[in-house]
Amino acid sequence: QVTLKESGPGMLQPSKTLSLTCSFSGFSLSTSGMVVSWIRQPSGKSLEWLAAIDWDGDKYYNPSLKSRLTVSKDTSNTQVFLKITSVDIADTATYYCARSLSTTAFDYWGQGVMVTVSS
Amino acid sequence: DIQMTQSPASLSASLGETVTIECLASEDIYSNLAWYQQKPGKSPQLLIYDASSLQDGVPSRFSGSESGTQYSLEINSLQSEDAATYFCQQHHDYPPTFGAGTKLELK
Repeated sequence: QVTLKESGPGMLQPSKTLSLTCSFSGFSLSTSGMVVSWIRQPSGKSLEWLAAIDWDGDKYYNPSLKSRLTVSKDTSNTQVFLKITSVDIADTATYYCARSLSTTAFDYWGQGVMVTVSS
Repeated sequence: DIQMTQSPASLSASLGETVTIECLASEDIYSNLAWYQQKPGKSPQLLIYDASSLQDGVPSRFSGSESGTQYSLEINSLQSEDAATYFCQQHHDYPPTFGAGTKLELK
């Protein structure tokens, strides 16, 4: 059974660094072609893909946010991390991690973690 | 980035009716198009991938089709549980991009 679960601070102040963790089970990120992505959704709005890391450790970033994003994974291939620097109110959203195989669709999603940026 | 223009933004239909949601890609995405259903407070669920392939466990009343760079999601025999927001997404190239969403309400 594939499951993903996001965790994060809930709330943080503008200009701080947001750190998110995606913990997953039921698949291995070391499997050829496997990819874990981060996607966010402001309340009432559409989805925005942020970053991904694949089975080989290759990293992919949304060009519009690339300078602020860092995606990584742990050595056991059971967790993926995302850091977003210099957050502001516009980064307030629900953040999801999701699985895909190479450039296929996202077949499994986490439940999401809501992050609020506020002073 | 590939732009996905989704329409309509919202629609209202009755139980048992058929509805169609469309997405227009800004360039050829070679059938690499997915459809998701999202209910309030829940994460998106994959319905269709590769434009017309039904994800395991998804009812057959959902179907996808394409014509050039125009992609469609059709829902037949609407059920009450189909009330949700639907998103298209191109999975042809990085960065993956989503449509703005279509909110489907049942009358």
